[in-house]
Amino acid sequence: AQKITQTQPGMFVQEKEAVTLDCTYDTSDPSYGLFWYKQPSSGEMIFLIYQGSYDQQNATEGRYSLNFQKARKSANLVISASQLGDSAMYFCAMREFSYDKVIFGPGTSLSVIP
Amino acid sequence: DAGVIQSPRHEVTEMGQEVTLRCKPISGHDYLFWYRQTMMRGLELLIYFNNNVPIDDSGMPEDRFSAKMPNASFSTLKIQPSEPRDSAVYFCASSSPALGGGNVLTFGAGSRLTVL
Repeated sequence: AQKITQTQPGMFVQEKEAVTLDCTYDTSDPSYGLFWYKQPSSGEMIFLIYQGSYDQQNATEGRYSLNFQKARKSANLVISASQLGDSAMYFCAMREFSYDKVIFGPGTSLSVIP
Repeated sequence: DAGVIQSPRHEVTEMGQEVTLRCKPISGHDYLFWYRQTMMRGLELLIYFNNNVPIDDSGMPEDRFSAKMPNASFSTLKIQPSEPRDSAVYFCASSSPALGGGNVLTFGAGSRLTVL
């Protein structure tokens, strides 16, 4: 069954430090995509980064990188050089391409401390 | 492009009333998703459409909820009758595989529903 787990309800990080947000998933579909979204206190859902199950290299987008370990079924988000504006909820999501259903994990609340 | 447009942004209603939430997806997107977000249950997928056809409505909580997509540019989520436990933020999102990149969802701003 399709499932996303984010085991860290809340995280703190010092400004300018790097932080890793954990995400593990479960699927029987060999073809899938993994996504991370940011939801600031204002409420909008902002797409950050995408990783396909067949991609050979880990995805990167500016200060965001995705540590994809397919055998372990994990897709952790790494934010480098944290900024105060990074304080938000972060959601991991998965899309099984044979079915196209997109589900989200419970989220991790990140607080950046000055 | 104006992005995914949802209306109303805020709705306050009394228990038992009918509520209709509206969504206009991005032009050319052929997938449309409805999600509900609450503190207790997080982001729940309610239903999604492909080319205006409902593909999976297994997330719709009960018969009081219904969703339609009469054409490629409009979808509604209706709750009748509404109950206080329906209070939540309802998001609409659309996507297109033709754009590549995993068919990324673009979200609307959400409709915050409060049922008294």
